[in-house]
Parts: sequence; structure tokens; C-alpha cells
Amino acid sequence: QVQLRQWGAGLLKPSGTLSLSCAVYGGSFSSHYWTWIRQPPGKGLEWIGEINHAGSSNYNPSLKSRVTVSVATSKNQFSLKLTSVTAADTAVYYCARNVRDSYAMDVWGPGTTVTVS
Amino acid sequence: DIQLTQSPSFLSASVGDRVTITCRASQGIDTSLAWYQQKPGTAPKLLIHEASTLQSGVPSRFSGSGSGTDFTLTISSLQPEDFATYYCQQLNYYRTFGQGTKVDIK
Repeated sequence: QVQLRQWGAGLLKPSGTLSLSCAVYGGSFSSHYWTWIRQPPGKGLEWIGEINHAGSSNYNPSLKSRVTVSVATSKNQFSLKLTSVTAADTAVYYCARNVRDSYAMDVWGPGTTVTVS
Repeated sequence: DIQLTQSPSFLSASVGDRVTITCRASQGIDTSLAWYQQKPGTAPKLLIHEASTLQSGVPSRFSGSGSGTDFTLTISSLQPEDFATYYCQQLNYYRTFGQGTKVDIK
């Protein structure tokens, strides 16, 4: 059974850089895209970006100038960096696995709460 | 950008009811649409992808249909564990979510 474990700093100051990582346990890392999604308190879901094992990535156009998603295939890990954070970036951040041959997300991490204050 | 509009945003229903949630895309997306269920304090759960493919392990009372710009999620007989918020997501051009539909107890 595939499990995702995620970690990173939970409290940031404005203008700082958000850094989160997600480790994948089980399954085939190279057969899927891997995705970051966030959810501000009391609000809906926002797709941030995705990457595959070879480093091919796609980003939300509204965040593209501040976002980098990277992959460490040898460790079965992928990471998110978001620069110049503001209070609007306060959210629960999820990592997730895409369904093989689809961009839907079928396995999700537990979420990490990030507060910018 | 492709915008998704879900309706209704809030729905009150009883156990055993047939529930239908719609999702309209601002432009055609073929069948590149997924549906998720989210309960408070937990990560979303994938129910359906490619508009009508039921994810493994999801009860058959959930079904999806549609193509192009208009899509539907149907719960044939609402169960107590189905009270949650439901999101659609388009998979065609980048990925965007609808604003959500909260299904509450009547």
C-alpha cells in the first residue's frame, strides 16, 4: 500500500521561503506524476504543480513565478519551494500521487499546515 | 484558464436520497474531469476520474457522467458517511478545482 509522508516548516515570516518535502513509500515512483495542492483555511483546493521522476513539471500559472517542484528519484521524494510568501499563502499543503495515465490524484499525504505571520 | 462552476454550493439531503451535483467548465475538456470527497480535517479522496471511471474501492452508489463542458456526480442512495464536501477538478489544461459542494444533513 502506497503511503506519503510529508514534512517542513509550519511557521514562516512574510517574504520568506516555504519548503516542504514528501516521501513515497511503496509502489512505483517512476510510473506516476507527483503533485502539490493547498487549501487555505475554510476555503477550497488549489493545484500548485506536479512533477514526474524525470523532472518534467507543470505549474499553476498564477504561482509559476514563485514555485519550484523538484524530485529526488533515488530517495523516492519530491519537494516544493514557494518564495516570497505572504499571509495569502497560509494553508494546508498536501502532496499527492497521480493515477497512472491520468492527472487525477489517488493517494494523498496527511497535509502540513503552513502559517505565514 | 479553465474555470469550473459547481452547483449547488450547498445541499441539504436525507439518508437514502438521490443526490446530483453538477460541474460546468468554461470551455470543453472532453472527459478530463475528476471528483473528490473531503471530510473535515482530512485529505480529499478520489471518487471518479476521466468523468466516469470509478476509483477502486469506491462504492458503486457513486457515479459520474458528462463530457465537454457539463458533468454530473450522482450518489444513488445517500449514506451517513457521504455527508462531506465534494469537488470537481479538470485535468485537461493544467488542473483547476471547482469551488466545492457541501452536502449536509437535512
